[in-house]
Amino acid sequence: DTGVSQDPRHKITKRGQNVTFRCDPISEHNRLYWYRQTLGQGPEFLTYFQNEAQLEKSRLLSDRFSAERPKGSFSTLEIQRTEQGDSAMYLCASRPGAGEYYGYTFGSGTRLTVV
Amino acid sequence: GNSVTQMEGPVTLSEEAFLTINCTYTATGYPSLFWYVQYPGEGLQLLLKATKADDKGSNKGFEATYRKETTSFHLEKGSVQVSDSAVYFCALSALEDNFNKFYFGSGTKLNVKP
Repeated sequence: DTGVSQDPRHKITKRGQNVTFRCDPISEHNRLYWYRQTLGQGPEFLTYFQNEAQLEKSRLLSDRFSAERPKGSFSTLEIQRTEQGDSAMYLCASRPGAGEYYGYTFGSGTRLTVV
Repeated sequence: GNSVTQMEGPVTLSEEAFLTINCTYTATGYPSLFWYVQYPGEGLQLLLKATKADDKGSNKGFEATYRKETTSFHLEKGSVQVSDSAVYFCALSALEDNFNKFYFGSGTKLNVKP
């Protein structure tokens, strides 16, 4: 069990640049989630995939954000024209089923700093 | 709607002290409840969970009981260690608009001093 992997762990970028993060979920988990966590706060939901289908997007996910999961395995989250307010920890999580009793398995996150 | 409220931190304790971190929730249905722990620079790790009223979740000496009558899920540990220093998040999972959603509290930082 390799857990949920995220890459990179840290990213520093200049305002206005595009960035892309990758998440590899646990292989048998068909549900994948992206969350954003700012300092001193709990994670906030961004988007959700069941296999390759993106089923839910938060209002937090502006037009500059896009997420894909092309083959139902790994997922990417892209932020275009980054802003300083995008600085946060971006967390990926997966779980094997849809029932509310299933907990998430989180990755270690990608910390984005926009300068 | 669904939401989670947990006590503000930081909580500072001496080693071997008793720990309580309060968590209350609001839910329209029948949620499952979770505690997650986050060590510095890391993602969240599931600590324990309870899926129905009166269930007790436990792990690594931590316990929490799902209290429907008080809508609470307080985290307790009888004797904390320095290695327990971390941020603890209470969370609920509930069906909303045919979609199962998680809601996290804002976290409580625990500092344990030797």
